[in-house]
Amino acid sequence: NAGVTQTPKFQVLKTGQSMTLQCAQDMNHEYMSWYRQDPGMGLRLIHYSVGAGITDQGEVPNGYNVSRSTTEDFPLRLLSAAPSQTSVYFCASRAPGQGFTGELFFGEGSRLTVL
Amino acid sequence: QQQVKQSPQSLIVQKGGISIINCAYENTAFDYFPWYQQFPGKGPALLIAIRPDVSEKKEGRFTISFNKSAKQFSLHIMDSQPGDSATYFCAAATSGGYQKVTFGTGTKLQVIP
Repeated sequence: NAGVTQTPKFQVLKTGQSMTLQCAQDMNHEYMSWYRQDPGMGLRLIHYSVGAGITDQGEVPNGYNVSRSTTEDFPLRLLSAAPSQTSVYFCASRAPGQGFTGELFFGEGSRLTVL
Repeated sequence: QQQVKQSPQSLIVQKGGISIINCAYENTAFDYFPWYQQFPGKGPALLIAIRPDVSEKKEGRFTISFNKSAKQFSLHIMDSQPGDSATYFCAAATSGGYQKVTFGTGTKLQVIP
């Protein structure tokens, strides 16, 4: 059982370049989300999805796009990378249904550096 | 505006000591309070969680204390071990709506032998 898989683990971009961070989960989770982790800032929600075809903005959505065409995949696109987007990005998912206790399942992260 | 405030930013504790991390929240709509543990190079993982109608929850050496009136909660790690060295995040979640999770800023714990 792979859980949440993120690729690539490391990426270096130049300012203005675009790229896509991939996230896939094999737990049949309806809810998926992207966070960025920065020193002293904790984990901040970028975008999230409650199911295929449904996405919404989180706390820091500017400069990022998402789409959700399947239950398994939730890619994060950087349209024109900026140095301020240098960060570690985490994809997370959770089980569907009632009784949410705040448990998210995280991938291992994608470390992005924008020069 | 940080909805969940966490302190301290870093903490050094000797082996066998007690580690204490504090958090405070503002939004009374939060109805679940999880703590996450993150080791270097890994994603965060749920450690322990508490509902606001419970004042304390203990799992092994880890205890959450919750003060609903003060809107504060804390994590206590008893008999801290070098293997507990990690970054800890408190968080607050809403069980209704889109069930989002809001995280604190994190505490880097180092347990020295």
